[in-house]
Amino acid sequence: GQQVMQIPQYQHVQEGEDFTTYCNSSTTLSNIQWYKQRPGGHPVFLIQLVKSGEVKKQKRLTFQFGEAKKNSSLHITATQTTDVGTYFCAGPAGGTSYGKLTFGQGTILTVHP
Amino acid sequence: NAGVMQNPRHLVRRRGQEARLRCSPMKGHSHVYWYRQLPEEGLKFMVYLQKENIIDESGMPKERFSAEFPKEGPSILRIQQVVRGDSAAYFCASSPSRPSGANVLTFGAGSRLTVL
Repeated sequence: GQQVMQIPQYQHVQEGEDFTTYCNSSTTLSNIQWYKQRPGGHPVFLIQLVKSGEVKKQKRLTFQFGEAKKNSSLHITATQTTDVGTYFCAGPAGGTSYGKLTFGQGTILTVHP
Repeated sequence: NAGVMQNPRHLVRRRGQEARLRCSPMKGHSHVYWYRQLPEEGLKFMVYLQKENIIDESGMPKERFSAEFPKEGPSILRIQQVVRGDSAAYFCASSPSRPSGANVLTFGAGSRLTVL
């Protein structure tokens, strides 16, 4: 079945350092989404990428969708303590158009002040 | 501005008891999803419902688990005869019915089930 893998599983950074998490799907995706979950919290939607090679920015966050639409990355510039949490990528499961998503296992980011 | 409302937030059950988790979707959303998250793992799809209809239950365990979304009232995820392996966070999510954004999810705060 479809698999979505994320690396690294854990990332510890000093405040001010950059952070990148990578997401790879075993199948081509029509779109990819990123969610953030704070410790003890719930997933919160960050962004959706649809086009091949698409790059989107949200302040210090940069999201990319690969040319083959099978991989994606999230880069955070100059991390802050508020960036702490788990970052998940997710793609439509089995080509569905509704909210049945296959999530990666997430990258847990800790930021040391 | 009520988002996705879930209750209870925390639930403790002994093995063999029943757990009922409730979810009211965000205003204007008619699609409801249930996801399960085991400790330090990603989210796993369980079921997708619309009012009075189960659209996709391919992620539901074959036994002991059921879900409904009645015409009136919240969606309910029911787990009968709970076992320790059912301990997890259960998240409800909703999405709008329009084609664009139909698979972008708004999650509730979750119901954390602990089975003793």
